[in-house]
Amino acid sequence: EAEVAQSPRYKITEKSQAVAFWCDPISGHATLYWYRQILGQGPELLVQFQDESVVDDSQLPKDRFSAERLKGVDSTLKIQPAELGDSAMYLCASSLKGQGWSEQYFGPGTRLTVT
Amino acid sequence: KQEVTQIPAALSVPEGENLVLNCSFTDSAIYNLQWFRQDPGKGLTSLLLIQSSQREQTSGRLNASLDKSSGRSTLYIAASQPGDSATYLCAVRPTGGGNKLTFGTGTQLKVEL
Repeated sequence: EAEVAQSPRYKITEKSQAVAFWCDPISGHATLYWYRQILGQGPELLVQFQDESVVDDSQLPKDRFSAERLKGVDSTLKIQPAELGDSAMYLCASSLKGQGWSEQYFGPGTRLTVT
Repeated sequence: KQEVTQIPAALSVPEGENLVLNCSFTDSAIYNLQWFRQDPGKGLTSLLLIQSSQREQTSGRLNASLDKSSGRSTLYIAASQPGDSATYLCAVRPTGGGNKLTFGTGTQLKVEL
């Protein structure tokens, strides 16, 4: 069964360092999502890609976060510099299409701890 | 702005008990509502999805209902088992196109032997 892959699964970094997460969506899925889930809260959408284009990054802290999906397949989310408040689970999801409704499938997540 | 609330935040029940988890949303203009399960430190697993035109969906011991006009959904778990212990999240999609999910804060369930 096809799955969304994420790496690393766990990351510990010091404040002010740079950190990057990788996501490989289900093959053929045009839409990719990055969510942030702070402990005890529900996931919040950071950025949504349709193929290689960003369609929604309204909740992405652009002063320190960046995301790319250069070839419209896998994607990287970067934080530079990391802050203590960035400690969270970062979830990637993908769906067949973004226009209209299409079910999202979630990866296992990357747990980030900033010390 | 859509806001989704889940009550209770945490719940502990003995094995075998039937239980109900609640989800409420402020904007009734939703396309569908979805219930997810999240095990500690893991990603999300979809449990049930209810379209706005539907009243309920069932899968095994799980039954989800939707009352769009009152902005409420419930997830009913029958004959709970220790393996049901997890966090349960509900999420809504807006009407008018797009695929953005707005999640609730979740209910952490523990089923004890």
